[in-house]
Amino acid sequence: GQQVMQIPQYQHVQEGEDFTTYCNSSTTLSNIQWYKQRPGGHPVFLIQLVKSGEVKKQKRLTFQFGEAKKNSSLHITATQTTDVGTYFCAGGGGSNYKLTFGKGTLLTVNP
Amino acid sequence: NAGVTQTPKFRVLKTGQSMTLLCAQDMNHEYMYWYRQDPGMGLRLIHYSVGEGTTAKGEVPDGYNVSRLKKQNFLLGLESAAPSQTSVYFCASTLVSGGQNIQYFGAGTRLSVL
Repeated sequence: GQQVMQIPQYQHVQEGEDFTTYCNSSTTLSNIQWYKQRPGGHPVFLIQLVKSGEVKKQKRLTFQFGEAKKNSSLHITATQTTDVGTYFCAGGGGSNYKLTFGKGTLLTVNP
Repeated sequence: NAGVTQTPKFRVLKTGQSMTLLCAQDMNHEYMYWYRQDPGMGLRLIHYSVGEGTTAKGEVPDGYNVSRLKKQNFLLGLESAAPSQTSVYFCASTLVSGGQNIQYFGAGTRLSVL
């Protein structure tokens, strides 16, 4: 079945540093989504990418979808303490709109 | 508009006991999902439903059953709880529209099986 690998598993940064998490799928994806989960909270949708090579920005967050639609990245510029949490990518490629989630990257930010 | 509501929020069971987790959504979504989240494992799909009266197995269905008798409700049952089912359970629903299929999650149920 479809597998989605996400690295790194953990990332600790100083406030103001940049952060990137990477996602790779074993199969071509129809779309990829990113979610954020604050400590003790539930996953919250951030964005969906559909097109090959697509790049989307949300303030300090930049999302990319690879040309082959098998990989994606999330980059945060100048991290803030409010960015703390686990970031998940989720690949959509099968029927019934199921998503296959990566294991997530836990970001901690030292003020 | 409450979104996706899960009950209960916390539960402690003894091995062999049964329980039902309730998920209710008020967004008229067709698709609903049950996930479990374990440390370092991400979110794993247990069962899902594409509409009222239909259910299907996900990645880790063993030991769980589900029912979707009403469109707004999706129930997850544990017939005989085992310590390996200690986890955080999340329900999600999604509306598929215009090429978007965003999943909305409930707050989760934290289950401990002793």
